[in-house]
Amino acid sequence: AQSVTQPDIHITVSEGASLELRCNYSYGATPYLFWYVQSPGQGLQLLLKYFSGDTLVQGIKGFEAEFKRSQSSFNLRKPSVHWSDAAEYFCAVGDLNTDKLIFGTGTRLQVFP
Amino acid sequence: DADVTQTPRNRITKTGKRIMLECSQTKGHDRMYWYRQDPGLGLRLIYYSFDVKDINKGEISDGYSVSRQAQAKFSLSLESAIPNQTALYFCATSDWTPGGGETQYFGPGTRLLVL
Repeated sequence: AQSVTQPDIHITVSEGASLELRCNYSYGATPYLFWYVQSPGQGLQLLLKYFSGDTLVQGIKGFEAEFKRSQSSFNLRKPSVHWSDAAEYFCAVGDLNTDKLIFGTGTRLQVFP
Repeated sequence: DADVTQTPRNRITKTGKRIMLECSQTKGHDRMYWYRQDPGLGLRLIYYSFDVKDINKGEISDGYSVSRQAQAKFSLSLESAIPNQTALYFCATSDWTPGGGETQYFGPGTRLLVL
């Protein structure tokens, strides 16, 4: 069965530091992959997605993610974190057969000044 | 995203009451979804609809029902609310493009507390 694992429940970084949020998936074919961000009290906003083509995907707010098929990973990165990036981040895989999204359990990012 | 709206944004109800959560979208998408979010569990799919005449159960549909009144409207009902249905509920719509695949767009959420 398809699944998404975000191994880090909570990450704390200092403002200006680099960030990498991990995401691993289990899927039998080439997946669609997504990263969403949820700010406190807000809905989910799409940061970026991988559908096909270049495995390094650029998103909004300075985020990028790299699809690595050999590692079944789609890690989210940002070179310099801002205090406004504090939020919860969800990785998701799109099931091509059912057109449904399967979400990870989320990683909460805390940013210290 | 203001293109997907949910009402109410917050609701408190009592065990056994019937409650309806509403979702409207102006994106013109055929596909709509209802999810619930619980701490530590991510989002789980309750129901989804690929068009007005198509309704499908998700992974946690027990205790819920839906109605797709129009392309733009998709309502979620709790026929007899129970405390473990206390959660944050999200509506989403999606489109599919040949070059970009499918992308889901989420409403702001409805926070439901069942006493």
